[in-house]
Amino acid sequence: GAVVSQHPSRVICKSGTSVKIECRSLDFQATTMFWYRQFPKKSLMLMATSNEGSKATYEQGVEKDKFLINHASLTLSTLTVTSAHPEDSSFYICSAPGGRARAFFGQGTRLTVV
Amino acid sequence: GDSVTQMEGPVTLSEEAFLTINCTYTATGYPSLFWYVQYPGEGLQLLLKATKADDKGSNKGFEATYRKETTSFHLEKGSVQVSDSAVYFCALSDPYSSASKIIFGSGTRLSIRP
Repeated sequence: GAVVSQHPSRVICKSGTSVKIECRSLDFQATTMFWYRQFPKKSLMLMATSNEGSKATYEQGVEKDKFLINHASLTLSTLTVTSAHPEDSSFYICSAPGGRARAFFGQGTRLTVV
Repeated sequence: GDSVTQMEGPVTLSEEAFLTINCTYTATGYPSLFWYVQYPGEGLQLLLKATKADDKGSNKGFEATYRKETTSFHLEKGSVQVSDSAVYFCALSDPYSSASKIIFGSGTRLSIRP
C-alpha cells in the first residue's frame, strides 16, 4: 500500500533555532499533504494544507511565519518550525490523501525544544 | 464547523473484556467516518471506516456502525487483547474537501491488562 515517510522521528533542539521536518510520499505522488500537531492528551489538530507548487493554506490561529511549509515536488513537503520555543514542543504528523476519503500518515516527529 | 467528540480516556480493561469507545460527530453533509489507531512508538494507521449511513466497518475484531440518526460511530470489540493497547482516534473526512482533510477526535488511550 501507499507509504508516507516522515523524518526525523525525534528531534531535540535549542530554543531559538529552527527545525525542518520532511514528509515524503514513497510510491505515489501527492499534490496535497496535510500537517497536524498533537498536543498531549489532546486531538490531532490540522495546522495547514500543503499544496505542490503554490502557497500552503493555514488553519485559523496557526502562525504562517512560525511554521513554514514548502511543497516543492510531488513527493516532498517540509515543515520548518522557525525560532522554536519550548511551547512548540509537540508531536507533528503529516498525511497525504489516498483517494476515496482515505489518508496515509507519516510516522510522526516528536519535537522537544529545550 | 465539523467536529468529533469521543470519550476521554484512559480506558483500562482486562484481557478478553468487551470494549466500547463512544464517538459522536457534527458535520454538514454526509462525511465518511474513520477509526485510526496509534500503537506505542508508531504512526497512525487506519483501523476501519464507513462511508455512508448504516455501513459497518470492521477489522481485527473491531467494529463500528455509521449511525446517522444518532450521529455516532462507536467502536466495539467483543474480546480485547493486550496487543490492542493503543490510542484510538475517531475521525471524519470533510465532505466538502476533495483532498481528504480529516478532522480528529481527542483520542482515547486504551490499556489492556493481562
